[in-house]
Amino acid sequence: EAGVAQSPRYKIIEKRQSVAFWCNPISGHATLYWYQQILGQGPKLLIQFQNNGVVDDSQLPKDRFSAERLKGVDSTLKIQPAKLEDSAVYLCASSGQKNTEAFFGQGTRLTVV
Amino acid sequence: DQQVKQNSPSLSVQEGRISILNCDYTNSMFDYFLWYKKYPAEGPTFLISISSIKDKNEDGRFTVFLNKSAKHLSLHIVPSQPGDSAVYFCAASRGNQFYFGTGTSLTVIP
Repeated sequence: EAGVAQSPRYKIIEKRQSVAFWCNPISGHATLYWYQQILGQGPKLLIQFQNNGVVDDSQLPKDRFSAERLKGVDSTLKIQPAKLEDSAVYLCASSGQKNTEAFFGQGTRLTVV
Repeated sequence: DQQVKQNSPSLSVQEGRISILNCDYTNSMFDYFLWYKKYPAEGPTFLISISSIKDKNEDGRFTVFLNKSAKHLSLHIVPSQPGDSAVYFCAASRGNQFYFGTGTSLTVIP
């Protein structure tokens, strides 16, 4: 079974630029999560999708962050414009209906300079 | 509002000894409790979980204990091996929503 795929692995951008991350969950997993992990902290949920609908985006900074999962499969997370404090690892995870755990991708390390 | 807390940022243990990682939570409605292991430059990988209706779950060298009255869980690794050196995240779930602690960095000294 293929795992959660994320790209790119690393990205360095200047502040005020835009950036996009891509995630392809495990096949058949209806739930997809985007987490932000700042160094020394635990993963913080940004947005959770159930198929192509948003379940929870209460911690997504909507003035600069957006995410979509148009066909209920892969997803993109965008930041526009980026700030220095957005430097973090962005983790995508997915879970199936019978799963009690979430499966993570390798993450995208974003550095904003 | 941190619903899952890991108060020890780091732990060092000699190889062959027991490692005990602790976690506290505040929400009594959580269904499952999980431990994830994370190596540098990799995503967290699922290690072991326990249902809220149980108090112990064992998988090889790894055992998770749940004390619901104290809202506390712990992960025991015995015997500890150098390859266990990683950051361990405690997580709790309600339905399919997951809440993570801040992690404990475990170093197993050969």
